[in-house]
Amino acid sequence: NAGVTQTPKFQVLKTGQSMTLQCAQDMNHEYMSWYRQDPGMGLRLIHYSVGAGITDQGEVPNGYNVSRSTTEDFPLRLLSAAPSQTSVYFCASSSSGGMSLDTQYFGPGTRLTVL
Amino acid sequence: AQKVTQAQTEISVVEKEDVTLDCVYETRDTTYYLFWYKQPPSGELVFLIRRNSFDEQNEISGRYSWNFQKSTSSFNFTITASQVVDSAVYFCALSEASYSSYKLIFGSGTRLLVRP
Repeated sequence: NAGVTQTPKFQVLKTGQSMTLQCAQDMNHEYMSWYRQDPGMGLRLIHYSVGAGITDQGEVPNGYNVSRSTTEDFPLRLLSAAPSQTSVYFCASSSSGGMSLDTQYFGPGTRLTVL
Repeated sequence: AQKVTQAQTEISVVEKEDVTLDCVYETRDTTYYLFWYKQPPSGELVFLIRRNSFDEQNEISGRYSWNFQKSTSSFNFTITASQVVDSAVYFCALSEASYSSYKLIFGSGTRLLVRP
C-alpha cells in the first residue's frame, strides 16, 4: 500500500512551458485534491475532485487544469508556466468528505521552479 | 469566511522544555473539523490529529496533547519534554462539515526548533 504518490519530485520549467504533475493513490479514496505551499502562506487549495469525472475549483485555480478519469489518478496540468507558479505542490486524498469528513493524507510533494 | 491564524511564526526551545503552539480559527459553522499536521525538514506532511467541533475533550498521545476550546475558538497543541526530532513546521487546519465540502483551510504554520 503506497498511499499517495507524486511524480516528479523536482521539476524546472521555463516560462510558457506546460507540464503535468502526476498524483496517484491506491487506497480507493473518492476525494482528491491539489494544494500549493508557498513560504509563509501555508497550503492553499488549487482544485479538488469528489470522484471520477467530477472536479471543482479551490482557492487558487488560475493557470491550472485538472481532470479525473479514474479513482486512482488526479493529474494537475500547468497550461503555460509562470514564475508565480514556483511552489511546492501537494496532492491529498481522503475516503470521505462533507458531513463525515475523513482525514486527508498527503503525498510527498513536487517542488516546481519556473524560470 | 473561514480563517486559521497561527500567530507564532517561529519558536525556539531547548530540549526537554514544554512548548505550546497556538491555533485560533474563525468559522460561522457549528459543525467543523480541526486538524494538526507536522512537516519535518524532509518536507512531507504528517497527520497528527483530527477533532470535530462536538468533541471538546482534550486529547493526549504520548508527549503530545491538544486543548480544544470552542469558547475562545482555539485548538492549541502542546509538546511535553520536547526532543530534537520534534523540530518541524506545524500546521493547524480547519474544514467545514457540509455536504459539499472537504476543503482544508491551513494556517501559515509555526516553525519549531528544538535545540540540544
